[in-house]
Amino acid sequence: DVKVTQSSRYLVKRTGEKVFLECVQDMDHENMFWYRQDPGLGLRLIYFSYDVKMKEKGDIPEGYSVSREKKERFSLILESASTNQTSMYLCASAQSVLRAKNIQYFGAGTRLSVL
Amino acid sequence: SQQGEEDPQALSIQEGENATMNCSYKTSINNLQWYRQNSGRGLVHLILIRSNEREKHSGRLRVTLDTSKKSSSLLITASRAADTASYFCAPASNTGKLIFGQGTTLQVKP
Repeated sequence: DVKVTQSSRYLVKRTGEKVFLECVQDMDHENMFWYRQDPGLGLRLIYFSYDVKMKEKGDIPEGYSVSREKKERFSLILESASTNQTSMYLCASAQSVLRAKNIQYFGAGTRLSVL
Repeated sequence: SQQGEEDPQALSIQEGENATMNCSYKTSINNLQWYRQNSGRGLVHLILIRSNEREKHSGRLRVTLDTSKKSSSLLITASRAADTASYFCAPASNTGKLIFGQGTTLQVKP
C-alpha cells in the first residue's frame, strides 16, 4: 500500500512565523502535490512537483513556496504565516500524470491554525 | 476551469437505500476519478473511469460517464452508516492533473 505521511496532524503558529509542512511518500512516485482545503471552496492546488527540484505553481501559490530535494519528500513553506492561511493542508503523490497512472494518494492532512 | 461540480452538495439517506451523486465538468478529459474523505482525514481514491468507458463497477459502487454531456454519476448501493463521508469527483485533463470540486456530503442514518 502507498503511504503518504504528513509530519503533523495539528499545528498552531503565530502570525509572521515561517512554517514548514513536510510530506513523505514511500512508493517512488514522480509527482507530489500540496492542496489546501477550506469549507465551501473544496481542494485547491497550491504547488506540485513532477520531479526532484522541479516545481510548478498551482491555482493559489501566493504566500507559499515548496522544496523537493529528494524524490520522496515534498515540503510546503509558509514564508510569513498569516491568519488567512489557517486551513487544512493535504499532501498527495501520484505515480505520474500519464493516463490511468495519475491516481493520487493522500496523507491524513495537517490542520494549521495561525493566530 | 474543468473543476468537477458535484450535485447535490449534501445528501441524507437511511441505511440500505441507494445514494446517487452527480458531477459535471467543462472541458475534455482523459479520465475522471472519484474520491472519498472521512471527516478530518485525507482523500481516498475510489474508482477511475477512462474517457472511452461509459460505466464501471467496483463492489457497491457504480460510476457512469457521459462525455457528450460532460457529466458523471456515482451510485452507492445498499448504503451503510460507514459510507458517511464526503465524495469528490476529479476530472483529469490530458496533462493528468486533477481538479477537485467541493464535494457531496453524504450522511447515512442507521
